[in-house]
Amino acid sequence: GQQLNQSPQSMFIQEGEDVSMNCTSSSIFNTWLWYKQDPGEGPVLLIALYKAGELTSNGRLTAQFGITRKDSFLNISASIPSDVGIYFCAGQLGSGGSNYKLTFGKGTLLTVNP
Amino acid sequence: DGGITQSPKYLFRKEGQNVTLSCEQNLNHDAMYWYRQDPGQGLRLIYYSQIVNDFQKGDIAEGYSVSREKKESFPLTVTSAQKNPTAFYLCASRGRKTDTQYFGPGTRLTVL
Repeated sequence: GQQLNQSPQSMFIQEGEDVSMNCTSSSIFNTWLWYKQDPGEGPVLLIALYKAGELTSNGRLTAQFGITRKDSFLNISASIPSDVGIYFCAGQLGSGGSNYKLTFGKGTLLTVNP
Repeated sequence: DGGITQSPKYLFRKEGQNVTLSCEQNLNHDAMYWYRQDPGQGLRLIYYSQIVNDFQKGDIAEGYSVSREKKESFPLTVTSAQKNPTAFYLCASRGRKTDTQYFGPGTRLTVL
């Protein structure tokens, strides 16, 4: 199955710094989702994007749906230690049947040094 | 509380044995999904079901089987035919009016 190209693979930052990660695809998607996974737990949905060009915020998180529908980015501002985890992007065609299947990136491992 | 539950959290089996992982949701969601996660990898789709008594193979269905006899439940059986079954297994569900999938806490299966 297809996978998204997510980068960077890992990041080591100091508390208080801003973080940016992105996903790119060779195919278009109609929905982009960003999840965070803590060790040994299931992913938790952070932000969902439904429209090309859409910019959505959730607290210190901001995500954008690329205008070409082939990419998305996630920014985290003023990082704190609890931001540590793996961040996944996922794309979905939507609109019925197997188009609701999610395609996932391989994740970005974020480490925040206090 | 509404949510998705998976049990057990940790599971150990001997090679050659079948094992069934439980997934239950009380969100009244129609669609349910099973994913496999290996270290450093994204999630890969095993099986999904959009409605009771119906399910489709995902990208890596070989060696796995599922059933969907009730809306709330979508158990996954890892058979002895699965050549590398040790992994973290995640169940998810999606409501009819939403594009987003919500995940359970996962089951870590170790085959010895």
